[in-house]
Amino acid sequence: GQQLNQSPQSMFIQEGEDVSMNCTSSSIFNTWLWYKQDPGEGPVLLIALYKAGELTSNGRLTAQFGITRKDSFLNISASIPSDVGIYFCAAPGGSQGNLIFGKGTKLSVKP
Amino acid sequence: NAGVTQTPKFQVLKTGQSMTLQCAQDMNHEYMSWYRQDPGMGLRLIHYSVGAGITDQGEVPNGYNVSRSTTEDFPLRLLSAAPSQTSVYFCASSYSPYPPIGYGYTFGSGTRLTVV
Repeated sequence: GQQLNQSPQSMFIQEGEDVSMNCTSSSIFNTWLWYKQDPGEGPVLLIALYKAGELTSNGRLTAQFGITRKDSFLNISASIPSDVGIYFCAAPGGSQGNLIFGKGTKLSVKP
Repeated sequence: NAGVTQTPKFQVLKTGQSMTLQCAQDMNHEYMSWYRQDPGMGLRLIHYSVGAGITDQGEVPNGYNVSRSTTEDFPLRLLSAAPSQTSVYFCASSYSPYPPIGYGYTFGSGTRLTVV
C-alpha cells in the first residue's frame, strides 16, 4: 500500500533554533497536509497544500509541496517551547481518499 | 464548542472483555473514522463511514466493529479485547473522506486503552 516516510523520527533542539522535517513517498499525491499533536491531545491541522511547488506559511511555520508531488517539507523558524509535540504529514491515499499518515516527527525543545 | 467528543478518555480492560468507545460530532460531517496510534507507527485507519448506514474497513480492522445509525455518532466496539489492542484511539470527522480545500480532519482528544 501507499506509505509516507517521515524524517527525522525525533529532534532535540534548543529554543530559538530553526527546524526542518520532510515527508516522502513513492506515490504521487494531489494534497499534502501537516498536523501537530500536542501531548495528550488529538492532531490539529497546521497547513494544507494543494498544488505542486506551493509554499504556504502559518506564522512561524512554512510548508512546501514538492514539485514531483512525491514529497513535502515543513520548516519551523525560531522554535519556542510550545512547539513541542509530534508533527505528522498526511495525504489522501486510502480507497476512498482516506488520509494516510506518516509515522511522525517528535520535536523536543530545550528552553 | 463544536467538535468531536470521545468517551471515555482512559480505560483499562481485561483480556476477553468487550467495550464500546464512543464518538460524537456536532458539525454535521458525513465522514467519520477511527484511527489507532501506537508508538513509532503513526496513525492507522481502523474503520470509516461516509454517511449514516455506510461503513467500511480501513487498514487494521480485525477485532473491531462499527456501525453508523446517525450522522452524529460513530461508536467503535471491541468484542473480545486483546493486549495487542492496547493503544490510543482517535475518532476523526470531515465533510468528506477527501478533505475539501481549506479543511482537514477534525480529531477528538483520544481514548487511551490498556488491555491487561
